[in-house]
Amino acid sequence: SAVISQKPSRDICQRGTSLTIQCQVDSQVTMMFWYRQQPGQSLTLIATANQGSEATYESGFVIDKFPISRPNLTFSTLTVSNMSPEDSSIYLCSVGVGSGKTEAFFGQGTRLTVV
Amino acid sequence: SQQGEEDPQALSIQEGENATMNCSYKTSINNLQWYRQNSGRGLVHLILIRSNEREKHSGRLRVTLDTSKKSSSLLITASRAADTASYFCATDPIQGAQKLVFGQGTRLTINP
Repeated sequence: SAVISQKPSRDICQRGTSLTIQCQVDSQVTMMFWYRQQPGQSLTLIATANQGSEATYESGFVIDKFPISRPNLTFSTLTVSNMSPEDSSIYLCSVGVGSGKTEAFFGQGTRLTVV
Repeated sequence: SQQGEEDPQALSIQEGENATMNCSYKTSINNLQWYRQNSGRGLVHLILIRSNEREKHSGRLRVTLDTSKKSSSLLITASRAADTASYFCATDPIQGAQKLVFGQGTRLTINP
């Protein structure tokens, strides 16, 4: 298993500003993922955070809007840049552990409200 | 993009009753997983069923998988108030990639 600490747990931000979300894992993991959950919706994968290289973004998400850092195997950050009210969502980081790497573990999420 | 469709979107039952949620998906999968989310917080993994399995049990949970119909169901027996949560199915289309594709979810409410 893995214990994931994600912070902040929630924030209210002004439009046009940026927020950086941190994700810390209690063990080294190869893959870390960032998801967005818009109000009342399901989770959508934003990107895969790769250690030592640029993140891999899913369709509809770009690095300028969601820059990601992955300085080591236990830590990653996601920045939501130039925020607008449409960015109000829960952002979750996720990792997979185990030899089969099939089960995903999630942080508690960051509930972001943009006003 | 969302792969899964879940029904019902919302389900309200009395404590002690069984709850059944369904999930359909579109592409080939390596496995299908079910997660629970309480009050918009982090997701908790419940159970995983591989593409070559048809049924799996874990405590009060029973999951079925029909790859010919590209569908799965989650049954929670003898429901409890603490089971109130949103339930999501997630598929892993690319083996080992862990890039999960989530269904729309079912909001389950257990009434005491």
